[in-house]
Amino acid sequence: NAGVTQTPKFQVLKTGQSMTLQCAQDMNHNSMYWYRQDPGMGLRLIYYSASEGTTDKGEVPNGYNVSRLNKREFSLRLESAAPSQTSVYFCASSASGGLKFALHFGNGTRLTVT
Amino acid sequence: GDSVTQMEGPVTLSEEAFLTINCTYTATGYPSLFWYVQYPGEGLQLLLKATKADDKGSNKGFEATYRKETTSFHLEKGSVQVSDSAVYFCALTGRGAGNQFYFGTGTSLTVIP
Repeated sequence: NAGVTQTPKFQVLKTGQSMTLQCAQDMNHNSMYWYRQDPGMGLRLIYYSASEGTTDKGEVPNGYNVSRLNKREFSLRLESAAPSQTSVYFCASSASGGLKFALHFGNGTRLTVT
Repeated sequence: GDSVTQMEGPVTLSEEAFLTINCTYTATGYPSLFWYVQYPGEGLQLLLKATKADDKGSNKGFEATYRKETTSFHLEKGSVQVSDSAVYFCALTGRGAGNQFYFGTGTSLTVIP
């Protein structure tokens, strides 16, 4: 029972480098989300995809892009990494757009930008 | 907009003590409410949920009741264990675009033997 799988688990980048965080879910969920977690700030939504083929900005989208590749996969790209993007990134999915359905989280990617 | 406010931490309790973590919310309409738990090095896991007023969510000895009159969803446990040490997040889903989830800032709990 894999659930939500994120890769990589750890990454160190230099300022200006790019990278893509990968996320896949095997629960046939429609909605997928990317959050970042910073000390004292809880979780903040970066982007979400309510269904395959759609993506929308969340609270903190600047500096990021996303791709909903298919129903299973939702990737997050940093085109030019900045130290302010040092954070723990979580991918999540839900069966529908919320209300009665809970989020299922991956184990996170810890990113450091130097 | 929709938001969640939960009590500041960290909280330190002795084993078998009573736990309360306060959570209040602001939302239009009738959101669903959740408590998530995060153990070190892991993602968040759903602990319990309630989808309408006066519902009580419960799991692993934890309980929370959806109180619309006080816009609250306080987490309680009668007797905590060392294994309950974790960070607890209150959350809601609103009726905004995409039915987004909104999280509190988290409350760190440490239970000492």
